[in-house]
Amino acid sequence: EVQLVESGGGLVQPGGSLRLSCAASEFTFNSYEMNWVRQAPGKGLEWVSYISSSGTNMYYADSVKGRFTISRENAKKSLYLQMNSLRADDTAVYYCARGKVGTYGYFDFWGQGALVTVSS
Amino acid sequence: EIVMTQSPATLSVSPGETATLSCRASQSVSSSLAWYQQKPGQAPRPLIYDASTRATDIPARFSGSGSGTEFTLTISGLLSEDFAVYYCQQYHTWPPTYTFGQGTKLEIK
Repeated sequence: EVQLVESGGGLVQPGGSLRLSCAASEFTFNSYEMNWVRQAPGKGLEWVSYISSSGTNMYYADSVKGRFTISRENAKKSLYLQMNSLRADDTAVYYCARGKVGTYGYFDFWGQGALVTVSS
Repeated sequence: EIVMTQSPATLSVSPGETATLSCRASQSVSSSLAWYQQKPGQAPRPLIYDASTRATDIPARFSGSGSGTEFTLTISGLLSEDFAVYYCQQYHTWPPTYTFGQGTKLEIK
């Protein structure tokens, strides 16, 4: 069964940094594009970032561009999100989500999410 | 940015009846449209992609239709487990700037 397990969430002060990880299992990780999607408390879903299967291409939502960096280690079947200069409005549950092969941009599997709280 | 607008914000329907949820895109997204179901405290669950293709293990009572800018998710014979929040999402744009609708809460009448 495909699994995506996020970790690394927690409480961080405004201006601080945090690194999220997503461990993948039971699928050929290096064949899939991956994404981060977030959801602020009581709010809707917001796409955050994309990375190609090889890790060559990365894209970001305007709201995080220049502050967040997506990366992956295919040998470790892991996806990462380095978050710097965090702000209160970055508080959210962060999900890693797999892009379906051939239907890029449709997220066919999601992790359970990691809560990031930015507060002093 | 393509803006996705869902209506209504809240829909009250009785079990056994049919729910019709709408999603409108600010510009054409062709058929690059997905629907997700989310229950409190859970991750979104994929339902429909390419506007009308059911995801794996999704029952036939869920159906999607539409193309361009107007889309519909229809849930027939509502069961108690279907009451949740539903989101549409477009994935037409490249480079990716995927956007979601604000959600429709389907509640028991």
